[in-house]
Amino acid sequence: DGGITQSPKYLFRKEGQNVTLSCEQNLNHDAMYWYRQDPGQGLRLIYYSQIVNDFQKGDIAEGYSVSREKKESFPLTVTSAQKNPTAFYLCASNLAGTDTQYFGPGTRLTVL
Amino acid sequence: GQNIDQPTEMTATEGAIVQINCTYQTSGFNGLFWYQQHAGEAPTFLSYNVLDGLEEKGRFSSFLSRSKGYSYLLLKELQMKDSASYLCAVRLPGGSYIPTFGRGTSLIVHP
Repeated sequence: DGGITQSPKYLFRKEGQNVTLSCEQNLNHDAMYWYRQDPGQGLRLIYYSQIVNDFQKGDIAEGYSVSREKKESFPLTVTSAQKNPTAFYLCASNLAGTDTQYFGPGTRLTVL
Repeated sequence: GQNIDQPTEMTATEGAIVQINCTYQTSGFNGLFWYQQHAGEAPTFLSYNVLDGLEEKGRFSSFLSRSKGYSYLLLKELQMKDSASYLCAVRLPGGSYIPTFGRGTSLIVHP
C-alpha cells in the first residue's frame, strides 16, 4: 500500500519543548514538503526538499528545522523558538518534474 | 506578492449545483489546482488546469481563464459528503513545482 504517513495524529507538548513530527512516504517521490495550516488560513510552506541531503526554507521557516537523510523520510522539528506552534501540520510529496502533490493525514500539534 | 482570493464560506442545498470561484494575481502562472479537504484530514487532489476552458470529472468540473486570472470549481448534484473546504492553488513558474494556496472556501451542504 503506497502512501504518506504522519505520526502521531495528535500531539501535545508543553511550551518550551522541542517536538519532532514524523513524515514517511513509500511512493518513491523525490520531493517532500511541510505545510502549516491555521483555522481560516491556507497552507503555508515551512520547508521543502527536492533531493536527499538538501532542503530549502519556505515562507515561514523561522522556529522550525528539518532533515532529509533518507528519500523516504522528512521529519520536522518544531523548536521552542517558534512563537505560536499550535497548528495542523501537513506533509506532502511529489515525483520530480510533476505538479501534483500528495498529502499525508496531518498531525495536529497543541502546545499547552 | 502573490494574491489568491476565494470566498470564505458558502452554503448550498443537497442536490443543487454550486460554483466556487477563485481569482488570482500572481507573478506568472503555470497552472491551477483544486483540492478538497474534509475537516481534520489531508487535502485530496481534484483537478489541475493549465489551459483555458472547462474540464469535467464526474460531478466536479473546473474552469480556467488565464486572461482574467479566474477559475471556478463547479459541483453538481451536491451530496452531504461534499461538505468540506475547497482549496485553490496556483503553480508559479520555476523549477520547484510548489503551489501557492488560497485560504480555502468552506462549503456547507444542508438537507
